[in-house]
Amino acid sequence: DVVMTQTPVSLSVSLGGQTSISCRSSQSLVHSDGNTYLYWYLQKPGQSPQLLIYKVSNRFSGVPDRFSGSGSGTDFTLKISRVEPEDLGVYYCYQGTHYPRTFGGGTKLELK
Amino acid sequence: EVQLVESGGGLVQPGRSMKLSCAASGFTFNNYDMAWVCQAPKKGLEWVATISYDGSSTYYRDSVKGRFTISRDNAKSTLYLQMDSLRSEDTATYYCARQWTTVATYYFDYWGQGVMVTVSS
Repeated sequence: DVVMTQTPVSLSVSLGGQTSISCRSSQSLVHSDGNTYLYWYLQKPGQSPQLLIYKVSNRFSGVPDRFSGSGSGTDFTLKISRVEPEDLGVYYCYQGTHYPRTFGGGTKLELK
Repeated sequence: EVQLVESGGGLVQPGRSMKLSCAASGFTFNNYDMAWVCQAPKKGLEWVATISYDGSSTYYRDSVKGRFTISRDNAKSTLYLQMDSLRSEDTATYYCARQWTTVATYYFDYWGQGVMVTVSS
């Protein structure tokens, strides 16, 4: 199985500040069709996960432009700028290139 | 608005069965593949099973093959997960999720609020 490793496990941020989360895969996520199927989810406290980013850098419907995704191959980053209270929770990366599909272990974003 | 509402969780003894349901609304249910994803306490997310839009194909993670059965009733816009021979390691919150499937990949674009299943004697 492809292992998705997220770092850090947790981080503290000030409201209005900027932060980034790393996701590294044990195999390249470039599909034979040329696309890279890497996604980001946010699970707010007490809620179910919600999709933020699809295919590395595309924001899902309704996701503010404070969220941006980047990366290629095995290394990916989610950047959050101008952090707001509703951004707090656990972030997960997910790969849709290889079977079985797998999630990262999560990064908890907390207030400093 | 897409809504997925799970029901049927609770406490069950090891070796027994439980059936989860997920009522869908706000979209054309029979146009989408559907999935169950679980999250063990204090752990990450794991895909459990997927069913195609018409119910003709099903897929399972290895650890539940032969024990869990995913099914759907498109007339009722409802997804099910029949869980048999339950083990303590099946203890988790189970999420119903709408699956966006292409030729190359799939991901989950909407999730239910989740239902807790606790397997313990």
